Amino acid sequence: EAAVTQSPRNKVTVTGGNVTLSCRQTNSHNYMYWYRQDTGHGLRLIHYSYGAGNLQIGDVPDGYKATRTTQEDFFLLLELASPSQTSLYFCASSLGWNTEVFFGKGTRLTVV
Amino acid sequence: QQQVRQSSQSLTVWEGETAILNCSYENSAFDYFPWYQQFPGEGPALLIAIRSVSDKKEDGRFTIFFNKREKNLSLHIKDSQPGDSATYFCAARYNQGKLIFGQGTKLSIKP
Repeated sequence: EAAVTQSPRNKVTVTGGNVTLSCRQTNSHNYMYWYRQDTGHGLRLIHYSYGAGNLQIGDVPDGYKATRTTQEDFFLLLELASPSQTSLYFCASSLGWNTEVFFGKGTRLTVV
Repeated sequence: QQQVRQSSQSLTVWEGETAILNCSYENSAFDYFPWYQQFPGEGPALLIAIRSVSDKKEDGRFTIFFNKREKNLSLHIKDSQPGDSATYFCAARYNQGKLIFGQGTKLSIKP
């Protein structure tokens, strides 16, 4: 079973704060993704990457940066967190663009 | 604009009945339609998927019916069990693997 590990699992920060969400996959997958999940919206793609050093913009990128430092590690950065970014964040990975996507267990972020 | 829509935010059926979850989409270019199952505290996991060249895909108690002309599909869960209680996401893919998800349907199975 493919493994995608997210940390932290829960995070509370203040408005204007700086937050980094981490994701590691040990599947030797090329693609990694960051999604946010909100009631009424399902999962929405923030950023994705198809390899170390690569970054592609998703559908809801505003207010987020991402960085893929290695094949295994993908980070999501919120440099000036806002309450609208309170959400459940999922990292995912896949071997190729047309193969099964595997999700981590999620990080619940609260911006107060 | 919601490109993938699920018709119900929640659905309750009795144990043993067939649960039917509906989904529709906007973009004719979508060619792959997975359904994901999510339990509380977990990430979504792929349950079953269909490609646009097929009109039906079956896997045990789970069946997808696909209507390309009408741009809709449905997930049928036969002989529903309490363990099937979860949130189900319909999704569609185009353009190098970008998955577009519906809003999700929370399914509850009453024993």
